[in-house]
Amino acid sequence: GAGVSQSPRYKVAKRGQDVALRCDPISGHVSLFWYQQALGQGPEFLTYFQNEAQLDKSGLPSDRFFAERPEGSVSTLKIQRTQQEDSAVYLCASSLVPDRGVRGYTFGSGTRLTVV
Amino acid sequence: RKEVEQDPGPFNVPEGATVAFNCTYSNSASQSFFWYRQDCRKEPKLLMSVYSSGNEDGRFTAQLNRASQYISLLIRDSKLSDSATYLCVVGSSGSARQLTFGSGTQLTVLP
Repeated sequence: GAGVSQSPRYKVAKRGQDVALRCDPISGHVSLFWYQQALGQGPEFLTYFQNEAQLDKSGLPSDRFFAERPEGSVSTLKIQRTQQEDSAVYLCASSLVPDRGVRGYTFGSGTRLTVV
Repeated sequence: RKEVEQDPGPFNVPEGATVAFNCTYSNSASQSFFWYRQDCRKEPKLLMSVYSSGNEDGRFTAQLNRASQYISLLIRDSKLSDSATYLCVVGSSGSARQLTFGSGTQLTVLP
């Protein structure tokens, strides 16, 4: 596609509910990143995929967070048993080359998650 | 101490003013530097890369001082459309978190 597409744009979840956030990267992009952006803060790194391989998940805040990219294109970020502190915008970004940020990359519009 | 620090602002300036943002980073192994712009409730978008020799893109000038671990962005002749949050971003090859973002500096250009 023309850009990075994320869905849903908005998600309201009750505390304890599981959620799944989807990211469609730009076609052919090798690298895919998930970031979490809390209100008034900059994006914080969660995890990184190169094709289908999850090469870095050091930013995932707890074992309730899980990400996958089984065929090297679409990625899903799953949050189990959501807590209020999970409320944030979840941003996906992709990059053509596996440069891990050397050239910067393109973000999707994000999913705004609100846990009530 | 945060890896990338910025003055959060807000900076409120009149149209036509020159405004400068500063940023410091703590990881001396950092190898790539960027400024991103983020409009309210939108995703961050790459504004410009920052090179060691300094670089300019129209009204925007970016500077890097590796010795002081300091990055700056200068906006000349500011426009209403420049109102946004400006994020300082640092990348380090070989480390776990490749792009580290500052918390952003909020700019409002007033008519």
